[in-house]
Amino acid sequence: TQLLKQSPQFLSIQEGENLTVYCNSSSVFSSLQWYRQEPGEGPVLLVTVVTGGEVKKLKRLTFQFGDARKDSSLHITAAQPGDTGLYLCAGARSSGDKLTFGTGTRLAVRP
Amino acid sequence: GAVVSQHPSRVICKSGTSVKIECRSLDFQATTMFWYRQFPKQSLMLMATSNEGSKATYEQGVEKDKFLINHASLTLSTLTVTSAHPEDSSFYICSAPGSGGQLTDTQYFGPGTRLTVL
Repeated sequence: TQLLKQSPQFLSIQEGENLTVYCNSSSVFSSLQWYRQEPGEGPVLLVTVVTGGEVKKLKRLTFQFGDARKDSSLHITAAQPGDTGLYLCAGARSSGDKLTFGTGTRLAVRP
Repeated sequence: GAVVSQHPSRVICKSGTSVKIECRSLDFQATTMFWYRQFPKQSLMLMATSNEGSKATYEQGVEKDKFLINHASLTLSTLTVTSAHPEDSSFYICSAPGSGGQLTDTQYFGPGTRLTVL
């Protein structure tokens, strides 16, 4: 059972455009992480959010944790080809619990 | 930052043979490591939790006799795919928590091992 559903599943945009990726669940998570994975490599952690309503910024990336801690979003401003990759959200339902990965969003940014 | 390595990066084997994949934490100790499986264009699925000095904990539906895990030291965990079949072909990734030993701590992922079973 996939607890975390990401949308869209695939996204192909032009360089300079903005985009938002959503990570939704019917379950409450104590923490949620976002990763970016390139082909043939392991995921790399981008951010961890733990507080409902929390917003974190990482350069052109803005991450938000929903007030109810059931969902999260990743917004990229002025996307660049280097942003291309698989974006994964992952949540833990309680401290020390296992990480559940989302279904993934594959982003392609065209020059 | 913490580095996790995996060896080999790619392996091709014949059906029926066994394959061992190593996961090493290079500059930190990890009493716990995690093994994931990822099919093409899909997300990561946790297979098992590797525990140094004790038995691994397997997720539901993962055959422990098929996927043998040994956490021999504080820096090394191995996953052996026994009697491999074509359906075992996948991308296997390990991770280790940077501190605390809990899954919710920052996870450092290895680069993955692509297994192809002919």
